[in-house]
Amino acid sequence: EAAVTQSPRNKVTVTGGNVTLSCRQTNSHNYMYWYRQDTGHGLRLIHYSYGAGNLQIGDVPDGYKATRTTQEDFFLLLELASPSQTSLYFCASSDAGLGGLEQYFGPGTRLTVL
Amino acid sequence: QQKVQQSPESLIVPEGAMTSLNCTFSDSASQYFAWYRQHSGKAPKALMSIFSNGEKEEGRFTIHLNKASLHFSLHIRDSQPSDSALYLCAVSMRGAGNKLTFGIGTRVLVRP
Repeated sequence: EAAVTQSPRNKVTVTGGNVTLSCRQTNSHNYMYWYRQDTGHGLRLIHYSYGAGNLQIGDVPDGYKATRTTQEDFFLLLELASPSQTSLYFCASSDAGLGGLEQYFGPGTRLTVL
Repeated sequence: QQKVQQSPESLIVPEGAMTSLNCTFSDSASQYFAWYRQHSGKAPKALMSIFSNGEKEEGRFTIHLNKASLHFSLHIRDSQPSDSALYLCAVSMRGAGNKLTFGIGTRVLVRP
């Protein structure tokens, strides 16, 4: 089964702070994704990438940057964190093509912005 | 933009009963339809998926797709307390790469 890890698992920061969430997948998947999950909104796509150096805008990108440095590593950056970004963040990966539509999720990072 | 809606919002079923969950989508160009399950405090995990109209059964789980009605469903036979979880439906549109749009979820509680 695909392995996706995230760090940190929990993070508390203050309004205006800088936060970097990390994600690594070890199954050579082409696609990686960042989601946030909030009660009443479900899973919403922030950014995604189909390879090192590539970045695609998701559905809720405002306030977030992302960078895919290698096939394995995808980072989510909050440069001026706001309380509205308090959420549970999931990273996921998938293979390419129709056979790769199944996404494998990491364990999540709970972020609190005070 | 694709809209994906789930019903009901929550469901309580007795152990051994059938659980039925619904998902509607807005774009007729959608090509991939999936159900994910998320136990409390855990990551979502794919349960099963379908590409073509009809039914697909895997163990106690059956997925049914009707593209003309923009609707698909998940049925869980002989529901167990371990099936208690948040169930998310997901849809991929043709030409949208590997991007999935998720519903908000249906919370299922199976009572022993």
